[in-house]
Amino acid sequence: AQTVTQSQPEMSVQEAETVTLSCTYDTSESDYYLFWYKQPPSRQMILVIRQEAYKQQNATENRFSVNFQKAAKSFSLKISDSQLGDAAMYFCASNFGNEKLTFGTGTRLTIIP
Amino acid sequence: DVKVTQSSRYLVKRTGEKVFLECVQDMDHENMFWYRQDPGLGLRLIYFSYDVKMKEKGDIPEGYSVSREKKERFSLILESASTNQTSMYLCASSPSGGMNTEAFFGQGTRLTVV
Repeated sequence: AQTVTQSQPEMSVQEAETVTLSCTYDTSESDYYLFWYKQPPSRQMILVIRQEAYKQQNATENRFSVNFQKAAKSFSLKISDSQLGDAAMYFCASNFGNEKLTFGTGTRLTIIP
Repeated sequence: DVKVTQSSRYLVKRTGEKVFLECVQDMDHENMFWYRQDPGLGLRLIYFSYDVKMKEKGDIPEGYSVSREKKERFSLILESASTNQTSMYLCASSPSGGMNTEAFFGQGTRLTVV
């Protein structure tokens, strides 16, 4: 079975500090994409960052970066200089080589002012 | 901007009622999805449609059906609503043709079955 696991149901971080959200997955596919989605209290799910499994270089989008370890099947999200607007549920997901997304159970991130 | 619109943000229905959740996207996307979101379980795929009148079952299709008569509209149908179908329902769309395509989501419908 192809699965995505997020082992941290809740995380908190001081404003302006750095936080890392963990994600592991299991698949026998060799080519796939990994994604981090953010769901703020307004519920609108938006894409934060994506990574192709064939690329060794870790993806970066402004304050958001990933640590992708293909052999370990690990895909963590690092948020630098945390801001109050970063408070949300964060979901790790993969398409595992097709066009359907499989999601993890989510991590609720709280920003402490 | 891509827009995915779900017809209701909140819905309360009675057990046994037939319930329709509607979703419309305005970007000519081939793929449309219905997910169910529950605390501690994340998002689980109910049904996927890759073209008009084409559909595939997801991980939890039992108790649900779908309809896609037009490309922009994807409906989720609860034939006989039950209390265990109380949940948040999210619709999404994406273009076909690549694994790297971003899925765009609606704002969700929180359904309560009483």
